[in-house]
Amino acid sequence: EADIYQTPRYLVIGTGKKITLECSQTMGHDKMYWYQQDPGMELHLIHYSYGVNSTEKGDLSSESTVSRIRTEHFPLTLESARPSHTSQYLCASSDGRRDEQYFGPGTRLTVT
Amino acid sequence: AQSVTQLDSHVSVSEGTPVLLRCNYSSSYSPSLFWYVQHPNKGLQLLLKYTSAATLVKGINGFEAEFKKSETSFHLTKPSAHMSDAAEYFCVVSETGGFKTIFGAGTRLFVKA
Repeated sequence: EADIYQTPRYLVIGTGKKITLECSQTMGHDKMYWYQQDPGMELHLIHYSYGVNSTEKGDLSSESTVSRIRTEHFPLTLESARPSHTSQYLCASSDGRRDEQYFGPGTRLTVT
Repeated sequence: AQSVTQLDSHVSVSEGTPVLLRCNYSSSYSPSLFWYVQHPNKGLQLLLKYTSAATLVKGINGFEAEFKKSETSFHLTKPSAHMSDAAEYFCVVSETGGFKTIFGAGTRLFVKA
């Protein structure tokens, strides 16, 4: 069982609010990822990190930002939420030597 | 450039019958290939992976996949479907050791009683 956690699981918030989605893993993995997934659709990589103080944007443009101050923690922040941000956000991590990614349960965000 | 195509958006089978979920890929180099399963309101769980070892890969819950380089395919199979197999399945191709990971669009598997 992979030890990767996301909070909150569900979030309904009004337009213009600042939100932070939390992601933590206890496996000591160097690489971490954020994906955005609309219902019934494929995953799109929006951010990733090689390790502490390393973050990169993914393939899908996103207005969110991330930080990696600690190995185990990779939070995603939206400074001003909009209805277009309504989606599911999945966090994942992987060992630097292996390719398989371990996923958290996801945060389903609804912006009203 | 990498790409992955899941040939069926939906597959419906009866309980106890075989499952076949099809995946074709393209890659400029030797890729790693994965199948993940996603149950409703859950994250993705790794079913199996191929990383240039044996071409027939066995995974969890009785699933297996065969890597066929000549056909650039990595189809997922299971001899006998169970109701609990109903979920979304994603085929994934990845640059070995890198971040370039491409997810297929997914195949939703329905299992009828």
